[in-house]
Amino acid sequence: AQSVTQPDIHITVSEGASLELRCNYSYGATPYLFWYVQSPGQGLQLLLKYFSGDTLVQGIKGFEAEFKRSQSSFNLRKPSVHWSDAAEYFCAVGAHTGRRALTFGSGTRLQVQP
Amino acid sequence: SAVISQKPSRDICQRGTSLTIQCQVDSQVTMMFWYRQQPGQSLTLIATANQGSEATYESGFVIDKFPISRPNLTFSTLTVSNMSPEDSSIYLCSVEDRSRAGGVTDTQYFGPGTRLTVL
Repeated sequence: AQSVTQPDIHITVSEGASLELRCNYSYGATPYLFWYVQSPGQGLQLLLKYFSGDTLVQGIKGFEAEFKRSQSSFNLRKPSVHWSDAAEYFCAVGAHTGRRALTFGSGTRLQVQP
Repeated sequence: SAVISQKPSRDICQRGTSLTIQCQVDSQVTMMFWYRQQPGQSLTLIATANQGSEATYESGFVIDKFPISRPNLTFSTLTVSNMSPEDSSIYLCSVEDRSRAGGVTDTQYFGPGTRLTVL
C-alpha cells in the first residue's frame, strides 16, 4: 500500500526567506507525485507533479520539487517566500495502474512572518 | 485542466437530515472521486465514481451512508445521509484529467469543496 509522510506539521518562515517542505513516500514502483496547496477556505490547487524524466520539476508560483528515488522523497522548495504563500501544503502519491485515487500526506501548514 | 464546480459551497444542517452535494465538470471525464477532509485533517478518499457502474467505496465508508450517483461523464452527486456532528467536514470532488495522448497525464484536479457543518 502506498503512503505519504509529511514530517513537519507547521512551519514558520520570514517573508523573503527560502522554504523547503519535506515529503517522503512509500510505493512499490516509480510513483506519480504531486504537491497541492490549500488556502484558507479554498479547495486544492495543483502546484506541480512528477511522473517521469527530469527529477527536478518546476511548478506554478515559483515552486519547484525534486524527486529523489534513493531517499523516497519529493521535497518542495521555493527560493523566496511571499506572504501570499501562507497556506496548507499537501504532498500526494498516485499509482500508475490499479487504484487511481491519490493518497495524501497529513499536510504542512506554512505561516509567513512579515 | 478541467474546471470543477460544486454546490452548495457550504451548508449548516441539522442532525438526522441528509444533504446532496453536486459536482459538475466542464469536460467529460471517466473517473471522479469524492474525498472528505475533517477539520484540521488531510484528505481521505470516500469513493471512486465511474459512469455506468456502481461506486467503489473505501474501507470505513458505506453506500447507505454516502450514496453516490454518476449519471453521465460530467456530473456526480454525493449524499451524506442521516447526518451527525461527526460528518462535519469539507467534501471535495476531484476528477482525473488524462492526456489526449491517452493515460499519461493522470492528474487529479479538485473542486472548491463543500463545507458542511452538522449541528
